[in-house]
Amino acid sequence: QQQVKQSPQSLIVQKGGISIINCAYENTAFDYFPWYQQFPGKGPALLIAIRPDVSEKKEGRFTISFNKSAKQFSLHIMDSQPGDSATYFCAASGGSQGNLIFGKGTKLSVKP
Amino acid sequence: NAGVTQTPKFQVLKTGQSMTLQCAQDMNHNSMYWYRQDPGMGLRLIYYSASEGTTDKGEVPNGYNVSRLNKREFSLRLESAAPSQTSVYFCASDWTGEETQYFGPGTRLLVL
Repeated sequence: QQQVKQSPQSLIVQKGGISIINCAYENTAFDYFPWYQQFPGKGPALLIAIRPDVSEKKEGRFTISFNKSAKQFSLHIMDSQPGDSATYFCAASGGSQGNLIFGKGTKLSVKP
Repeated sequence: NAGVTQTPKFQVLKTGQSMTLQCAQDMNHNSMYWYRQDPGMGLRLIYYSASEGTTDKGEVPNGYNVSRLNKREFSLRLESAAPSQTSVYFCASDWTGEETQYFGPGTRLLVL
């Protein structure tokens, strides 16, 4: 079952623009929501994560927005750069689901 | 620290052949995971090991076996490879309770 739905599948943004990737989850017991970044030919790496006790977390140009009532969270990349071109995965875990459940990924291309 | 290492990087198999994918971590993590990544499917958990001596099935365990050889090493075995097992395989590890998973560089497997 698809417990974490991610959109869009692919995204093209101009350099300097804002990239937005959305995820929705079903299990209300989830309490940890990370985003992973994967460059071609590499393994995923943790980018930023949030817990439901806050609505927003910012690290540099990367921000997670979290809406508990809507069961949605999103990644915003401000001032997008060509070096941000990668595949981004959202994930969730918590409750009886101790392991991470990943979304299907978004391939981001930032055009110079 | 090398982090999580995987061997081989790339392998071609014929249908019915067997092989073992190796994974090792030097971060003293107690949990280890095997995922497969297919286009448009995200990361799907095959098997995991919460501690040395224990293994459990993930979302897509059929056709695979695992061995947690010691705290550092976690191997994935394909007894009789099938074309449907063509994929990129990632090993990951973490400290139980810390939730940040560290991924290896992946093994690209092609089954003809």
